[in-house]
Amino acid sequence: LAKTTQPISMDSYEGQEVNITCSHNNIATNDYITWYQQFPSQGPRFIIQGYKTKVTNEVASLFIPADRKSSTLSLPRVSLSDTAVYYCLVGVSNTGGFKTIFGAGTRLFVKA
Amino acid sequence: GAVVSQHPSRVICKSGTSVKIECRSLDFQATTMFWYRQFPKQSLMLMATSNEGSKATYEQGVEKDKFLINHASLTLSTLTVTSAHPEDSSFYICSAPKPTGRDTEAFFGQGTRLTVV
Repeated sequence: LAKTTQPISMDSYEGQEVNITCSHNNIATNDYITWYQQFPSQGPRFIIQGYKTKVTNEVASLFIPADRKSSTLSLPRVSLSDTAVYYCLVGVSNTGGFKTIFGAGTRLFVKA
Repeated sequence: GAVVSQHPSRVICKSGTSVKIECRSLDFQATTMFWYRQFPKQSLMLMATSNEGSKATYEQGVEKDKFLINHASLTLSTLTVTSAHPEDSSFYICSAPKPTGRDTEAFFGQGTRLTVV
């Protein structure tokens, strides 16, 4: 399973766009990139998943360069409620289930 | 609504007693579930993979006799912390992969806060 490296923490203000970059230099061909959000005393919540290029859903965008050695989670116009820990995970996604290994994550603190 | 339900959400027990935590997949069958432990201000640490109908697979350093895992049905896995000690106090989280269209997404329970006194 590919190891991931993220900034330990980030600060932002309400209404700003936040970009969190994750490095995964030894990502394998079959690996997908998935981002999760975790609030204190809660289980992680899926945000977005991608394999290459750009993926967008109603809450975030995920940018993946051609070499796939990194990825950037983009949160548009953050609010105070986006204060959480964000995890970047890399692993194989298949119908047989996959083992999800968490890195240290990035603590995002959104200020008013 | 919740896809994976975990119970109880918090529990306090005395040292030496055992505590059982349940993880249920609510609207899908999960032949595999995962159990994690998380200490304050730290990331989730994978403890074991729960396999329906067979033995669980434990990660290195996790005592299988202390953390008993049973996956007796396709919708239920249980983690029993045996002879609990204060150092077992932690946040325990389960997850189950569910196919979502083309891919598989891991859904997490809400977690169980265990305090051993």
